[in-house]
Amino acid sequence: QKEVEQNSGPLSVPEGAIASLNCTYSDRGSQSFFWYRQYSGKSPELIMFIYSNGDKEDGRFTAQLNKASQYVSLLIRDSQPSDSATYLCAVKKDSSYKLIFGSGTRLLVRP
Amino acid sequence: NAGVTQTPKFQVLKTGQSMTLQCAQDMNHNSMYWYRQDPGMGLRLIYYSASEGTTDKGEVPNGYNVSRLNKREFSLRLESAAPSQTSVYFCASTGQNYEQYFGPGTRLTVT
Repeated sequence: QKEVEQNSGPLSVPEGAIASLNCTYSDRGSQSFFWYRQYSGKSPELIMFIYSNGDKEDGRFTAQLNKASQYVSLLIRDSQPSDSATYLCAVKKDSSYKLIFGSGTRLLVRP
Repeated sequence: NAGVTQTPKFQVLKTGQSMTLQCAQDMNHNSMYWYRQDPGMGLRLIYYSASEGTTDKGEVPNGYNVSRLNKREFSLRLESAAPSQTSVYFCASTGQNYEQYFGPGTRLTVT
């Protein structure tokens, strides 16, 4: 079992819809959770991070964390074609300097 | 602020040749990382440096060496390049919330 799992996709949504990206993790000691966006041929860029159970909103993006069920999700409201990219979930384990990355979910937003 | 910079952007090596990938950050971060990214494999940690003067192996360290030259700079060396080291290499540094910021990457091809 991978430590951080994501569906590879592609997840296809129409423009203006809500895109929901999911990530599960195996280590209950995980403390911090990060979402990155990576356009083809570019480096990952940080979207947001979340520590506490519940929702955290930043513009069109909402991260949701459920530590009991060991999943974290990213909602993108009013999806735009420019949101088409691969979204990486990353998890920091307790007392580690390292992030464990999932393999990413490819999102396609259809005009 | 330039953030995280990497040189070179592209490199082609012959099997057995050596090279050093350079990385620098101007955000006064303590921790720095080297990853490789291959299609379908996600980001894999090669080496990291939790602070100036320390380095540790990551998931895939074989065939690589690193030097944390000072707080700003962290280099990755391939002593004898192999075709299996064809990849995209990313350097990253860590902010105060353990979020990582990535450089633009180096695309390396070993023939």
